Amino acid sequence: EIVLTQSPGTLSLSPGERATLFCRASQSVDSSHLVWYQQKPGQVPRLLIYGASTRATGIPGRFSGSGSGTDFTLTITRLEPEDFAVYYCQQYRSSPPRALIFGGGTRVEIK
Amino acid sequence: QVHLVESGGGVVQPGRSLRLSCAAFGFTFSSYGFHWVRQAPGKGLEWVTTIWHDGSNQYYVDSVKGRFTISREDSKSTVHLQMDSLRDEDTAVYYCVRDGPYNPDYWGQGTRVTVSS
Repeated sequence: EIVLTQSPGTLSLSPGERATLFCRASQSVDSSHLVWYQQKPGQVPRLLIYGASTRATGIPGRFSGSGSGTDFTLTITRLEPEDFAVYYCQQYRSSPPRALIFGGGTRVEIK
Repeated sequence: QVHLVESGGGVVQPGRSLRLSCAAFGFTFSSYGFHWVRQAPGKGLEWVTTIWHDGSNQYYVDSVKGRFTISREDSKSTVHLQMDSLRDEDTAVYYCVRDGPYNPDYWGQGTRVTVSS
């Protein structure tokens, strides 16, 4: 069974800084199904990136995704105040088909 | 536009049942599979169950197998989650999620389930 491990658990940064978040899969996965979400307290997860690197509709250009195989990265080039949130990666499980697996999340907090 | 609206959450005692519903709007319901994803207080996202677009397959996380049942009612564009023998650890916000062609793409606002005596 695929396990998604996100690191770091918490990232303490200042507005304007660059954030780099990692998502590592326990086995090679299809990058076309790798997704990143942003979640703020009390809100629904928001789709940021799909297919590992494609920004969802309305997502600012400071968000970018990359990676393939087992290693994926979400980069926020210059943090805005509204970017401080929890970020999750997600993939489909190898079995059963179309079932989901989530990473444990990375909290980006204001330093 | 695409809209998912969950209902049916509430406070329930351990061992009792609850039925969640997810009404879908703005797309061809029968063309899509759906998931329920939950989030316990202060915790991360956890996949609970999936039903395929044609209802031919349903899958569950081990912790709910034999207790939860997902179903769909295409005539009403609605997905249901029947939750029986509820436990304290089932306390969470439950989200209905549409399964797009390549990834889950739309989430409902969620419905809160609290299991407490």
